[in-house]
Amino acid sequence: DADVTQTPRNRITKTGKRIMLECSQTKGHDRMYWYRQDPGLGLRLIYYSFDVKDINKGEISDGYSVSRQAQAKFSLSLESAIPNQTALYFCATRPTSGQGAGVDTQYFGPGTRLTVL
Amino acid sequence: DAKTTQPPSMDCAEGRAANLPCNHSTISGNEYVYWYRQIHSQGPQYIIHGLKNNETNEMASLIITEDRKSSTLILPHATLRDTAVYYCIVRGLYNTDKLIFGTGTRLQVFP
Repeated sequence: DADVTQTPRNRITKTGKRIMLECSQTKGHDRMYWYRQDPGLGLRLIYYSFDVKDINKGEISDGYSVSRQAQAKFSLSLESAIPNQTALYFCATRPTSGQGAGVDTQYFGPGTRLTVL
Repeated sequence: DAKTTQPPSMDCAEGRAANLPCNHSTISGNEYVYWYRQIHSQGPQYIIHGLKNNETNEMASLIITEDRKSSTLILPHATLRDTAVYYCIVRGLYNTDKLIFGTGTRLQVFP
């Protein structure tokens, strides 16, 4: 869905490097999320944001930080990347009540494949 | 949120109905059943959701048993493009921001 974009789509980096993954959306949704997916497993929630001033930890936030620069932008940072952070990362958005149809659904970006050597 | 159990994989012939089961025996009264799918490492895609009644949309039908302990996602005429991992998720009414994805069912549609 082109309404949610992620950059970069692929990234290879080395242990100890700082990495930022970016997510942008044109859906006008207040809520945004970062998930990671490891091979053969489901998605796990890292962080989520209800709006620019409201950031919440998910189930696996250690080693990650986020920034909600604007309603449309939500960035995920790995301050010092380590190999077990190698995964597929997804950003998602969700409307809050009053923002239109599909209030219960999340809309996912295409993913960023991150490899930490 | 209640846990879900799905078979790890299923096959379906193209053009036939694909029936994907999900057990959620610990579901509580205010928890919804959601289905998403993920096509080959793309972002998951919402399919359908329901609470008690059966639901149908342009993609699929959702059948929820009367005791709500299990459900079935039905793709009425599966195509090769329906090959994906299908996730059944149970989500509380007031816990709307934490989708807990299990390992899902890998559906393979064959010609």
